[in-house]
Amino acid sequence: EPEVTQTPSHQVTQMGQEVILRCVPISNHLYFYWYRQILGQKVEFLVSFYNNEISEKSEIFDDQFSVERPDGSNFTLKIRSTKLEDSAMYFCASSEVQVNYGYTFGSGTRLTVV
Amino acid sequence: SQQGEEDPQALSIQEGENATMNCSYKTSINNLQWYRQNSGRGLVHLILIRSNEREKHSGRLRVTLDTSKKSSSLLITASRAADTASYFCATTTSYGKLTFGQGTILTVHP
Repeated sequence: EPEVTQTPSHQVTQMGQEVILRCVPISNHLYFYWYRQILGQKVEFLVSFYNNEISEKSEIFDDQFSVERPDGSNFTLKIRSTKLEDSAMYFCASSEVQVNYGYTFGSGTRLTVV
Repeated sequence: SQQGEEDPQALSIQEGENATMNCSYKTSINNLQWYRQNSGRGLVHLILIRSNEREKHSGRLRVTLDTSKKSSSLLITASRAADTASYFCATTTSYGKLTFGQGTILTVHP
């Protein structure tokens, strides 16, 4: 069964450093998303991406965050200057159509900012 | 309460019993989805019910949706130890963004 692949599975970074989280969505999917889950809290929407541009973003997704689809397969989330409160599990997801379709999530990247 | 609130927060049952989890939401939705998350892992899509549907089945899963009450329920019949996980409901509007609830932690004892 097709999978969404995320790398790395764990990332530890110093506060203030830049991190890039990588995702390979399912190849025929057109819509891409990043969500995050702080330990013990609900899964929160960060950003959706379609046709090489952001279609929607949350209040969390401030100027420190950016997304990119640098080639036909990868979808990345960059955090420019990490803060302690950015520590969370980050999930990438993709879907074939925008609505009325289940998303496929990756296994996540656990980001720890120290 | 926020969009997509699950009830109960934790449920502990014996293998073979049925597990029922409820979800309430506040705004109009396009569809409601249920996801499962094993500890420390990604989310797995279980079932989607559209706003014009009232009930849907998939294997041992049964989902109901009552748009007048803005609520949904997920029933897992004949539960197994392997069903132990967190279960989340998530709603979508016309733009497709998922809004998740806090989740129900289900523990099935063998």
